[in-house]
Amino acid sequence: GAGVSQTPSNKVTEKGKYVELRCDPISGHTALYWYRQSLGQGPEFLIYFQGTGAADDSGLPNDRFFAVRPEGSVSTLKIQRTERGDSAVYLCASSLGLAEYNEQFFGPGTRLTVL
Amino acid sequence: AQSVSQHNHHVILSEAASLELGCNYSYGGTVNLFWYVQYPGQHLQLLLKYFSGDPLVKGIKGFEAEFIKSKFSFNLRKPSVQWSDTAEYFCAVNARGNTNAGKSTFGDGTTLTVKP
Repeated sequence: GAGVSQTPSNKVTEKGKYVELRCDPISGHTALYWYRQSLGQGPEFLIYFQGTGAADDSGLPNDRFFAVRPEGSVSTLKIQRTERGDSAVYLCASSLGLAEYNEQFFGPGTRLTVL
Repeated sequence: AQSVSQHNHHVILSEAASLELGCNYSYGGTVNLFWYVQYPGQHLQLLLKYFSGDPLVKGIKGFEAEFIKSKFSFNLRKPSVQWSDTAEYFCAVNARGNTNAGKSTFGDGTTLTVKP
């Protein structure tokens, strides 16, 4: 079956603009995760959803970042008033249940560049 | 909060050499441990995982890792590397039985280059 997909694959925006990044998890996966990966670093946890609710959003860096998953499937990561420091690859992953015991399947990521 | 340290940023080996990549974690409770691999141009994918039981776990493509609780380590090994093992390797941990158990913490990765 299809894996995790993310759109767009690349996004270039100007400082101060608003962006939305989309994640389509594997069908049937109830848990969905967002990570941010800066150059030379490992993925950094942002938020995860169990179903429609955000079970843990402790990794969101500030209130400019927000994510939703209204129907328990597709998720959108929203970034307001983008800053150059937001430039990174944003990764989405999904799993059958919580990642404690279930393998996370990662998407290809969205490379965000803020000019 | 948990943290993960990978000692080697870049490792260069010749084919057939043995591999060991270090990973140490910091966390006061019980953890689950993972190694992920990212081949050039591909997604992150799970290589192997440890939850409980035998501390020596075997994964795909001949990789194995050993959990040493007293050393807070989970080193990745392969007896004989191939050119196709060239990739970036990430160690990760999450807290077991915790309300934030879905939150995985990753190390900064080790880039492995295998020379043919």
